[in-house]
Amino acid sequence: GEDVEQSLFLSVREGDSSVINCTYTDSSSTYLYWYKQEPGAGLQLLTYIFSNMDMKQDQRLTVLLNKKDKHLSLRIADTQTGDSAIYFCAVGVPSGSARQLTFGSGTQLTVLP
Amino acid sequence: DVKVTQSSRYLVKRTGEKVFLECVQDMDHENMFWYRQDPGLGLRLIYFSYDVKMKEKGDIPEGYSVSREKKERFSLILESASTNQTSMYLCASSTGSETQYFGPGTRLLVL
Repeated sequence: GEDVEQSLFLSVREGDSSVINCTYTDSSSTYLYWYKQEPGAGLQLLTYIFSNMDMKQDQRLTVLLNKKDKHLSLRIADTQTGDSAIYFCAVGVPSGSARQLTFGSGTQLTVLP
Repeated sequence: DVKVTQSSRYLVKRTGEKVFLECVQDMDHENMFWYRQDPGLGLRLIYFSYDVKMKEKGDIPEGYSVSREKKERFSLILESASTNQTSMYLCASSTGSETQYFGPGTRLLVL
């Protein structure tokens, strides 16, 4: 089945850029997603990219997709303390009856003042 | 705005109790999902449903069952709770595309 990998922790200084990386194994994925989870909360959809795109920008967020290397990244510009959260990469896979998402283990982003 | 609600934010149960976790979505989505989230393991799919009264096993269905009698409601049942089912439980829904919308989660502690 699909395997999605992320590093578990990332620390950055306030105002710096954060880059969270993700690798996946299934090249047939149509959409790739980034979700954000704040402490004690559910997952909030941040952004997604269609598999035929290389880059998508949305305000401070930039998603880069390298299909050849099966590598996805999320860059947060001018990182703020409010960006401290767990970030999940998720890859869509066909399942027959309902399209499913396979999630990475999540990257805990800590923003230091 | 899509809204997915879960019946409880926090729940404490004893070993052996039957536990019901309820999830309701208000966007007429066909698909609904139950995940559990444990530190370092990400989200693992327990069960999902693509239509009323239809269900499919996910990656870790053992010890759980589900019920979907109405389109908007998807219930997760722990027939006999055990301490290794202490976890955060997340419900999600989706329509024809893959984008899933999540509820706030239920943190379950089994003593």
